[in-house]
This record gives sequence, C-alpha cells and structure tokens, in this order.
Amino acid sequence: GENVEQHPSTLSVQEGDSAVIKCTYSDSASNYFPWYKQELGKRPQLIIDIRSNVGEKKDQRIAVTLNKTAKHFSLHITETQPEDSAVYFCAASWTGNQFYFGTGTSLTVIP
Amino acid sequence: EAGVAQSPRYKIIEKRQSVAFWCNPISGHATLYWYQQILGQGPKLLIQFQNNGVVDDSQLPKDRFSAERLKGVDSTLKIQPAKLEDSAVYLCASSPSSYNEQFFGPGTRLTVL
Repeated sequence: GENVEQHPSTLSVQEGDSAVIKCTYSDSASNYFPWYKQELGKRPQLIIDIRSNVGEKKDQRIAVTLNKTAKHFSLHITETQPEDSAVYFCAASWTGNQFYFGTGTSLTVIP
Repeated sequence: EAGVAQSPRYKIIEKRQSVAFWCNPISGHATLYWYQQILGQGPKLLIQFQNNGVVDDSQLPKDRFSAERLKGVDSTLKIQPAKLEDSAVYLCASSPSSYNEQFFGPGTRLTVL
C-alpha cells in the first residue's frame, strides 16, 4: 500500500514568517493530495488540495506544490498568524479513494 | 447545512467487550469514510463506502471490525471483541463524491481498559 511520510513533526515560527511542511509518497499511482488542518480537540478540515495534473495551487496565504517525479508535495503558509497554530496533515489518494494520511505536523506561531 | 453527526461522543469499555458507533452523513453525500485516529497520529482509513457499496476496506481489521451502510445513508462501525490497542478517536467523514472535500464529524473517543 501507499506510504506517506511527513516532516517536520513540529514547527515553530515567528508571526509573519513563512512555514513549509513537506510530504513524500511511495505509490506513483497516487493522484490526489489534500491537506487538512486540525485544531486541538476539533475535527480535521480541508485547507487546500491538488491533483497530479497541476504543479502548484494557491489560495491566499496558502499554497501547495507537487513534484510527481520526486513524489513529494509541500504546504507553504506565508505571513503566518497565531490562528494558523494547529496540526496539519497531508494525504495521498488514488482517484479519490484509498486515502493515506501523514503523521502530522504541529505548527506553533509565536506572536 | 447540518454537519456530519456521530454518536456516542465518548465510550469506555473493557477489553473483549463489543462496541458500535453510528454516523449520519451530510444529506446527499454519496461517499462515507470511517477513520481511526490514534493519539499523535494521522487518521487511518478503515473503510470507504460509495452509496451502500464498499470501495475500500483494505486497512480494516476484518477479524474484529465490521461496518455497514444501509440504504446508502447512515453507517455503523462495530468492534467485536475490542482490544487495548483499539483505543482511539473514530472519525466519520462524508463527501459528495470521492474527489471532493471530506467533511468530518466530531468523532467518538473510545477508551478500552
């Protein structure tokens, strides 16, 4: 089956700085890559996703890049704010099925 | 719109007992997922339904876990018998189709003693 690795496991940044979280996947057939944000004690919520026919996608302060050759994708958060503090999970999927999640990155934005 | 509903929210049982969880997805959502999230880890997909058919159950421990989705709406997940390592939050999610955003329920926190 698919194996998704996520790094780093914890990340602290100063407010206003950028944060980058990286994930690698093993199955070249995976073609859908969502990112979820989970605040403490709350349910995961989708923040951005990308499909394999696109190399980059941006939504305001959040962007995701995908390198199919290297089988890795990254989440970029610019101008971080305290409310960005949460656990972020990447996932890989084949045609929207068989979702495999990473182990999560705990992001802390220091005011 | 109403979100994904799950019950119970918390459950404490002893090992070897049985337990069942219930999920009511967002109205009209064809795809339903059950995840197991162990503390400090990412969600692990247990089973995915498309309407009332199973799309993927490759990570479901079928010797003790079972799930059904009758009439393509509500779903139940059962564990029989439970083990200590089953202690986790069980999340249900639904989406209009498999390529769409998944909307998660509040989860059921299971503690097996």
